[in-house]
Amino acid sequence: GESVGLHLPTLSVQEGDNSIINCAYSNSASDYFIWYKQESGKGPQFIIDIRSNMDKRQGQRVTVLLNKTVKHLSLQIAATQPGDSAVYFCAENGNNNNDMRFGAGTRLTVKP
Amino acid sequence: NAGVTQTPKFQVLKTGQSMTLQCAQDMNHEYMSWYRQDPGMGLRLIHYSVGAGITDQGEVPNGYNVSRSTTEDFPLRLLSAAPSQTSVYFCASSWESGINYGYTFGSGTRLTVV
Repeated sequence: GESVGLHLPTLSVQEGDNSIINCAYSNSASDYFIWYKQESGKGPQFIIDIRSNMDKRQGQRVTVLLNKTVKHLSLQIAATQPGDSAVYFCAENGNNNNDMRFGAGTRLTVKP
Repeated sequence: NAGVTQTPKFQVLKTGQSMTLQCAQDMNHEYMSWYRQDPGMGLRLIHYSVGAGITDQGEVPNGYNVSRSTTEDFPLRLLSAAPSQTSVYFCASSWESGINYGYTFGSGTRLTVV
């Protein structure tokens, strides 16, 4: 079946560096994508979304890139800070049960 | 606004016991859903509701019941707890079905079944 996945389960970066978290999706029918951040002991928090009619969307220190040709989604975090340490999930809406499908997550660790 | 409120935060059950996980939202969202989160896996949908009086099954509904008598509340019932139901449970809500809008999640209930 089709699935949402992440290329790397863990990512460690130095404080101040830029972070890139990747996500592969295989459902070509998906037209809406979201990145969530989940800190330890908390629920997922919406970061940024993008629709399939866009290639790039920017927020505050975050940018999401969508490459529909290769079915790839990425989250870029500029000037990564210790508070960015968390698990990041991507989600797509190409599911049969009226719901988003979530990837397993990438754990981002920011080293001081 | 409190957002999505889940209670309790932690719970230990014995096998065979039943309990209800509470979820309430104050954003007037029509769509509400329950997920379970297990190590190394993405969130998996248990049940969802597109409005008061309407519920449907998700990906992993067995062993769970839900009801939606009001827009605000969406309780999840474990009928006869099993160790396989040890997990972290999240309630979420959204304006519509969620496939075109982001979800607001609660802080979770960590359930252990012994």
